[in-house]
Amino acid sequence: DSGVTQTPKHLITATGQRVTLRCSPRSGDLSVYWYQQSLDQGLQFLIQYYNGEERAKGNILERFSAQQFPDLHSELNLSSLELGDSALYFCASSVGDRLSGNTIYFGEGSWLTVV
Amino acid sequence: DAKTTQPPSMDCAEGRAANLPCNHSTISGNEYVYWYRQIHSQGPQYIIHGLKNNETNEMASLIITEDRKSSTLILPHATLRDTAVYYCIVSGGTASKLTFGTGTRLQVTL
Repeated sequence: DSGVTQTPKHLITATGQRVTLRCSPRSGDLSVYWYQQSLDQGLQFLIQYYNGEERAKGNILERFSAQQFPDLHSELNLSSLELGDSALYFCASSVGDRLSGNTIYFGEGSWLTVV
Repeated sequence: DAKTTQPPSMDCAEGRAANLPCNHSTISGNEYVYWYRQIHSQGPQYIIHGLKNNETNEMASLIITEDRKSSTLILPHATLRDTAVYYCIVSGGTASKLTFGTGTRLQVTL
């Protein structure tokens, strides 16, 4: 158990809909990361938040957005869903905003299926 | 982040040591070598990381060459549960994220 909690574990929704994935970081961690893993692609970095502020952005679609709340949990919002958005979405957390030898711990992921 | 090169797949007999190589010839002085593994769509699991010196923990050992251009992850006594994709990632300095490549698919067999 990494200490990173993600909900829901599985989600099936229709095209055009909107979903929210939730992540609770490890106790004491201030950074939250979101990654996407599709069947035909590897782990792709989406976005990082540190202590409530966006810190780094990857290949995140405009239809996707994220935020980190004062209690440090984070939500990833996916809207106007397309079939190609079906993927595993991982949340991860770490202590600092820079790696510098720190460790990033991953949750077990949220399986999103768009039908 | 420095680019890494790993063999796409390896086999190892159960009970034997699994030695997974990684080349990172463009690594910078302040970049760490991280190893993660992913067991069949589970969340990536942290294994070990190091900067210059060899490191050992309860899961594995990390051997980094003196010039830091390559490293080897050693699982001393592989079991079937070690079958996974192993990722070698170089990151550090001002970087804030891990960039995953394609990794090495390790198959542990009886």
